[in-house]
Amino acid sequence: AQSVTQLGSHVSVSEGALVLLRCNYSSSVPPYLFWYVQYPNQGLQLLLKYTSAATLVKGINGFEAEFKKSETSFHLTKPSAHMSDAAEYFCAVSRGDTGRRALTFGSGTRLQVQP
Amino acid sequence: DADVTQTPRNRITKTGKRIMLECSQTKGHDRMYWYRQDPGLGLQLIYYSFDVKDINKGEISDGYSVSRQAQAKFSLSLESAIPNQTALYFCATSDSPGTRGINEQFFGPGTRLTVL
Repeated sequence: AQSVTQLGSHVSVSEGALVLLRCNYSSSVPPYLFWYVQYPNQGLQLLLKYTSAATLVKGINGFEAEFKKSETSFHLTKPSAHMSDAAEYFCAVSRGDTGRRALTFGSGTRLQVQP
Repeated sequence: DADVTQTPRNRITKTGKRIMLECSQTKGHDRMYWYRQDPGLGLQLIYYSFDVKDINKGEISDGYSVSRQAQAKFSLSLESAIPNQTALYFCATSDSPGTRGINEQFFGPGTRLTVL
């Protein structure tokens, strides 16, 4: 079975500060990992994905995430927060050995950006 | 036009009523999914379909049924709605992984359902 844990349901940062959203996964086989963002009253939009190529993955809007197998982590970072980054962020995992599995999502982290 | 559309966007219904949520996609994807979102719980998978004849239960399928009418259409039904089915419902699509083994999903805008 696979699962995802997002540490911190709410994170608040100041504009210009580092953003760090934590995600740890559990998977019995090499995983594929995703970060999605949900802006208010909208569906989910893919930020970035890890698919066993480079361990440091760059996504849209200046976000990036690093896959660390030894720590079973896939934390999302952005060097400098912008007001427009305020949203809910979801980490998700999928099995990497078969295409028959759907995504398993974490419970989400709501990011607030203070002026 | 949006690639994944959901109708209705908002719906209020009463306990015991039958309701159908519809999803259509123009992405040409084989795979379609239904999720519900509750505050603090993230997204939970209700049903998923890998093609028109391949439908699978997800984590929380009890009280729900689905129909894959065509490659582009996947509907979710609540046969007898109850208040704890009040939630935000999302449809998603993905391409078959093929040799890439990636099942990135694309989401619709969601349907907000309230069961009184």
